[in-house]
Amino acid sequence: GAGVSQSPSNKVTEKGKDVELRCDPISGHTALYWYRQSLGQGLEFLIYFQGNSAPDKSGLPSDRFSAERTGGSVSTLTIQRTQQEDSAVYLCASSRAGTIYEQYFGPGTRLTVT
Amino acid sequence: GENVEQHPSTLSVQEGDSAVIKCTYSDSASNYFPWYKQELGKRPQLIIDIRSNVGEKKDQRIAVTLNKTAKHFSLHITETQPEDSAVYFCAAESSGGYQKVTFGTGTKLQVIP
Repeated sequence: GAGVSQSPSNKVTEKGKDVELRCDPISGHTALYWYRQSLGQGLEFLIYFQGNSAPDKSGLPSDRFSAERTGGSVSTLTIQRTQQEDSAVYLCASSRAGTIYEQYFGPGTRLTVT
Repeated sequence: GENVEQHPSTLSVQEGDSAVIKCTYSDSASNYFPWYKQELGKRPQLIIDIRSNVGEKKDQRIAVTLNKTAKHFSLHITETQPEDSAVYFCAAESSGGYQKVTFGTGTKLQVIP
């Protein structure tokens, strides 16, 4: 079946502009995660959605970052007034509900802020 | 919150040798410990996981051991092959009752032919 998809695959933007990154999780997966991976670095947790519960936003680095998940499916990560340090690969993952399970990652969006 | 430390950050081995990556965690309530492999330019993928009701799990050339008392777990790869070259991330279930894990900082494994 279809895996996690993300769009765009690459995004180049000017400093100060806003960007939106999209994630389509695997159908039926109620848990959705966003991570940031800077070049050669680890997986930095950003935000986590689980069904209709309030999202865990504890990893968002600043108030310029926000995310929403509409209808329990598609999620959008928005970065306002982008800065050069926001340049990274943004990865989305989803997993099914219940006891903690494997996370299935999307291909990521490579964001470059010039 | 959970804190996961991973060592070494880089590891080079000769093809056919074994590789061991070690992780420690801080939250004694954690019960789930997955390992992900990320090949260059690709997405992370789960290769093996272990829950706290067992001390060891094996899948072909890959094994994971868990010591809950000491709060550490390790990944063992035997008879390494060039295709094992990748970055490996350990992770531990985060506290708070959420379906979330905290990742280690990663180990870049290079298998030299």
